[in-house]
Amino acid sequence: DQQVKQNSPSLSVQEGRISILNCDYTNSMFDYFLWYKKYPAEGPTFLISISSIKDKNEDGRFTVFLNKSAKHLSLHIVPSQPGDSAVYFCAASVEGSARQLTFGSGTQLTVLP
Amino acid sequence: GAVVSQHPSRVICKSGTSVKIECRSLDFQATTMFWYRQFPKKSLMLMATSNEGSKATYEQGVEKDKFLINHASLTLSTLTVTSAHPEDSSFYICSARDRDLRKLFFGSGTQLSVL
Repeated sequence: DQQVKQNSPSLSVQEGRISILNCDYTNSMFDYFLWYKKYPAEGPTFLISISSIKDKNEDGRFTVFLNKSAKHLSLHIVPSQPGDSAVYFCAASVEGSARQLTFGSGTQLTVLP
Repeated sequence: GAVVSQHPSRVICKSGTSVKIECRSLDFQATTMFWYRQFPKKSLMLMATSNEGSKATYEQGVEKDKFLINHASLTLSTLTVTSAHPEDSSFYICSARDRDLRKLFFGSGTQLSVL
């Protein structure tokens, strides 16, 4: 049972346009969400996070939106750049839990020049 | 920011040999480290949680005798793939939790190829 789902395995966007990556979750206990970016043969790098007490968090070109009622979050990248091409994973955790993050399956973003 | 060093980055070995992968937190103490495995075009799958000074906690389906984990200090955890077989070929990634207790920082990963 996948508790965190990224239903789009790939996404292509033109440089300068907005990239929107989506993530859905089923576990209502999740209250902290993160996005990671991963290049081939490298470990994931942390991008941005959001707590369930917020519905939006912005950091430069990256904005994460959280819709708790829909159990949905999204990552917006604007403007998209070719260097943003990578696999993006969303992850979720339960506050206070010493356990690991639960990851989605990832979305391959390709930004076309 | 916090840095996690993982090595080797790539290893090729013969079937039946054992391979050790190291994961170090360079500028913070990590009481908990995690080991993941990633198959091509798949998500990161947690293998085990490594706690300093105690036995690792393995996820269901992960053979503890196959994947030996040692977390001897607050900055070092090792994963040893014992008697490796071709089906163990994969990309292994470690992560360490910083003081924030929510952010994980990842190593750069180890690509294991078993011939």
